[in-house]
Amino acid sequence: EAQVTQNPRYLITVTGKKLTVTCSQNMNHEYMSWYRQDPGLGLRQIYYSMNVEVTDKGDVPEGYKVSRKEKRNFPLILESPSPNQTSLYFCASSLHSGRGSGANVLTFGAGSRLTVL
Amino acid sequence: AQSVAQPEDQVNVAEGNPLTVKCTYSVSGNPYLFWYVQYPNRGLQFLLKYITGDNLVKGSYGFEAEFNKSQTSFHLKKPSALVSDSALYFCAVRVQTGANNLFFGTGTRLTVIP
Repeated sequence: EAQVTQNPRYLITVTGKKLTVTCSQNMNHEYMSWYRQDPGLGLRQIYYSMNVEVTDKGDVPEGYKVSRKEKRNFPLILESPSPNQTSLYFCASSLHSGRGSGANVLTFGAGSRLTVL
Repeated sequence: AQSVAQPEDQVNVAEGNPLTVKCTYSVSGNPYLFWYVQYPNRGLQFLLKYITGDNLVKGSYGFEAEFNKSQTSFHLKKPSALVSDSALYFCAVRVQTGANNLFFGTGTRLTVIP
């Protein structure tokens, strides 16, 4: 089944303890992105990747890191989590990166709910 | 800069009645516009998109949306609401010449009352 898989789905951690949320897609998609969803704020983009080894900041990148060493994986790293990073996180992917390739539909993972105490 | 406004946090409609979920946008250039739906404990699912051409776009589950360039709006509609349509709906926009970075609205919670 074509899908975007995120792990863990739920995580409670403490301030300062490094964590990684993994994201993997099995559709050979070129473009991947991370969003966070907060009440009243909708979805805000954290980082995105146009292809392997190509990443860039979204609207709210502070406190996060990403890497794209392989096409299928795009992990989100919180080096020193803080309570304001408590949120619902979504990974998404699309076949093409966008420029000149039309209106690509994003496929979303099921989400990862992170609580930082 | 891009922005999306969904002026209603909550929309309630009786089952069988028509529904409208409003969306207005601002973008520098020609837009691609999208509607996504989120059911409880699920990721976002694609409903429909506007690329160019016909201003009335038909999508999944009987939903449609009308693109209005002069009013910069892209309202989501359905002629007859079902209880199963109750969910959180997001409008999103990106400029046609840019990367596939969608900018989302804050979402509208639709409740269909039996």
